[in-house]
Amino acid sequence: AQSVTQLGSHVSVSEGALVLLRCNYSSSVPPYLFWYVQYPNQGLQLLLKYTSAATLVKGINGFEAEFKKSETSFHLTKPSAHMSDAAEYFCAVITTQDTDKLIFGTGTRLQVFP
Amino acid sequence: KAGVTQTPRYLIKTRGQQVTLSCSPISGHRSVSWYQQTPGQGLQFLFEYFSETQRNKGNFPGRFSGRQFSNSRSEMNVSTLELGDSALYLCASSSRLNTEAFFGQGTRLTVV
Repeated sequence: AQSVTQLGSHVSVSEGALVLLRCNYSSSVPPYLFWYVQYPNQGLQLLLKYTSAATLVKGINGFEAEFKKSETSFHLTKPSAHMSDAAEYFCAVITTQDTDKLIFGTGTRLQVFP
Repeated sequence: KAGVTQTPRYLIKTRGQQVTLSCSPISGHRSVSWYQQTPGQGLQFLFEYFSETQRNKGNFPGRFSGRQFSNSRSEMNVSTLELGDSALYLCASSSRLNTEAFFGQGTRLTVV
């Protein structure tokens, strides 16, 4: 069965620093991968998605992620953190084996310090 | 285009009661999924409906049920509430299977 693992439940960066949130997936078939962001007391907002087209995916708010099949990774990056990026980030996978549900990672809470 | 609408936003219930949560998907979306989010268990899949049919179900007891209407609106019901059912319940809709899901703001259920 497919799954995703997010390394690091908490990540802290200074404003202006690089943001790197890690996600590794496990799937025996090509996956579709997603990154979602959740602000306090809100639902989840899609940041970006990988659906087997370009391996480097650009999303909203300056975020991007690169699909690396050899490393089974889909890490989320942003060159320069803003205070407004503080939130919880979830990596998720869906595959053709199990087409009806997103499987989420445990989430990474990003803190941004001035 | 209106987003996914969940009602109510907040709910307080007593143990043993039942509750019904509502979700209106984005217009034209036929797939609706439900998730439970708790600090301890994270985001867990409850069930998914497509064209009024339940296509997949997560590992939850039978007290959790749902349905989808012909207009794609969905409801989930939890009977005989337990303290552990306190959670944020999120609904997501998508236009078809295997596409990105758009989430509502959730219903915060507190069981006392």
